[in-house]
Parts: sequence; C-alpha cells; structure tokens
Amino acid sequence: NAGVTQTPKFQVLKTGQSMTLQCAQDMNHEYMSWYRQDPGMGLRLIHYSVGAGITDQGEVPNGYNVSRSTTEDFPLRLLSAAPSQTSVYFCASSYGANQPQHFGDGTRLSIL
Amino acid sequence: EDQVTQSPEALRLQEGESSSLNCSYTVSGLRGLFWYRQDPGKGPEFLFTLYSAGEEKEKERLKATLTKKESFLHITAPKPEDSATYLCAVDAGSYIPTFGRGTSLIVHP
Repeated sequence: NAGVTQTPKFQVLKTGQSMTLQCAQDMNHEYMSWYRQDPGMGLRLIHYSVGAGITDQGEVPNGYNVSRSTTEDFPLRLLSAAPSQTSVYFCASSYGANQPQHFGDGTRLSIL
Repeated sequence: EDQVTQSPEALRLQEGESSSLNCSYTVSGLRGLFWYRQDPGKGPEFLFTLYSAGEEKEKERLKATLTKKESFLHITAPKPEDSATYLCAVDAGSYIPTFGRGTSLIVHP
C-alpha cells in the first residue's frame, strides 16, 4: 500500500516553462488537494477535488490548473512558471469531510 | 473568515522538560480539529482528530485536548526524536481543513 505518491521529488524550471506535478493515491479516497508550503507561511491550499470530475479553487490558485479524471490521480499543472512559484508542493487525500488527510512527501520546485 | 493560530512559532526544550503547544481557532461550527507532525523533508503525518470540546486523545508522550476556542498538544517528558514541526488544522465544513503555520519543536538531549 503506497499511500500518496508524488513525482518528481525535485525539479528545476526556467521562467516561462510549463510542467505537471503528479499525484496518485491507492486508498480510494474521494477528496484530494494540493498545497504549497513556504517558510513562515504554513500550508496554503491551491486547488482541491471532492471526487472525479469535480475541482475547485483554494486560497492561492493563480498560475495553476488541475483536473480529476480518475479517483486515483490529481495532477497539478503550472502553466507558465514564475520565480514566485518556487516552493515545496504537497498533495493530500482523505476519505471525505471531517477525515484526516494523508500526505505525499512533496515535490521541491525551483524556478530560475 | 476562518483563522487558525499556532503558538509559539518555535520551542526549544531539554529532554524530559514537559510543555504544551497551542492552536487557537475562530470558526463557526467546528467539525474537526487535526494535529499533524512534520519531519524535515517529509509530508505531514497525521496524529489526532478531535471533534468536540472536552475530548482528549493520547499517543505515547503526546496528549491532545480541545476546548471551544483552542486545542493544546501536551508533550510529556519529550525525547530528541520528538523534534519536528507540529501542525494543526481546522475543519469547519469547507471541504478542506485550514492549517495553522505550525510550531517548530526542538528537544535537546
């Protein structure tokens, strides 16, 4: 049972490049979410999904896109990378509302 | 707007020196409060869920308590391996919980 798997673990991009951060879970969780974690800012919600085909914006959605075509996968797309998007990105999943989240080990992203 | 505040931001303890971390919240209709532990380079790891005022949960040297306005994470006789960042998150019915900024705990041997 792998839990929540994020790939890649590290990535360096140039300003303006695009890329997709992958997130997969094997626990049949309905809820999935993406956070970014910056020093002194805690975990900030980017986008979330409450089931396949349903997504919504969180606190800091600008510059990011998501889709949820299957229960297992929830990729995060950076459309045109900017230095302000340098951060550690975490994906999480849970059975539903009021339930604890399971986190991946993060993707460390640097934008030059 | 929901708000979750954790204090202190950082805490240094000697091994065996008990203390408490605080998570205060201003939400309407708490549905659950979660505590997580995060080690450097890792994702947060779930510790406890508390659903109603007066509830308590324990695990080894950790004990979490909940009132109507705050939660405490009590650490009894900590060891160096308890060093981590501790995060709390509050669920008030908005699908995904809101996180505080965390308390960084260092326990010196």
